[in-house]
Amino acid sequence: DTAVSQTPKYLVTQMGNDKSIKCEQNLGHDTMYWYKQDSKKFLKIMFSYNNKELIINETVPNRFSPKSPDKAHLNLHINSLELGDSAVYFCASSQAGTSIHEQYFGPGTRLTVT
Amino acid sequence: AQSVTQPDIHITVSEGASLELRCNYSYGATPYLFWYVQSPGQGLQLLLKYFSGDTLVQGIKGFEAEFKRSQSSFNLRKPSVHWSDAAEYFCAVGVPGTASKLTFGTGTRLQVTL
Repeated sequence: DTAVSQTPKYLVTQMGNDKSIKCEQNLGHDTMYWYKQDSKKFLKIMFSYNNKELIINETVPNRFSPKSPDKAHLNLHINSLELGDSAVYFCASSQAGTSIHEQYFGPGTRLTVT
Repeated sequence: AQSVTQPDIHITVSEGASLELRCNYSYGATPYLFWYVQSPGQGLQLLLKYFSGDTLVQGIKGFEAEFKRSQSSFNLRKPSVHWSDAAEYFCAVGVPGTASKLTFGTGTRLQVTL
């Protein structure tokens, strides 16, 4: 049973397109996250949702929009893709949003923008 | 704001040798500390965490880490490395009272020679 799953695993697309990445967790956690890992492996948080409410929104271009239809799902939609968006995007989840708990990561989605 | 430094970008050890990966953090009080491992093409897996109490914490796969407040360090150790330990290792810090935001170090790539 996969705890945190993401689809697709690989995504290759052209500049200017719009794409979505989906994330689901079956751990019963309240909080979900999106991270971006660049080509140098640097991992940086983008967004966090707690019970469908946005609680962390780092300095991310408006082209990135997270959507949480329920607390088990957190999707990431990206408009007008740019070359610099190429990265690995990780979804994660944790028990609660207002205190620190260990985060469980999905396998990642490798996005390549050509 | 808190920060994490992993001074070693790349470390090579022989199988069976001991291992120590360094992690230093910057924060005014005691943060929550984590070590994650990322195998090639995989997501991040939690190895161990420190919240409070005993400063020597045990994790999975035979890893341990020691929190040293005086040195602002949380180094990861393993007495005998196995070839399967080759991966990228990330140290992360969380600040109590914030909304589950983790700040990651830049990672240390471990190579194991046979």
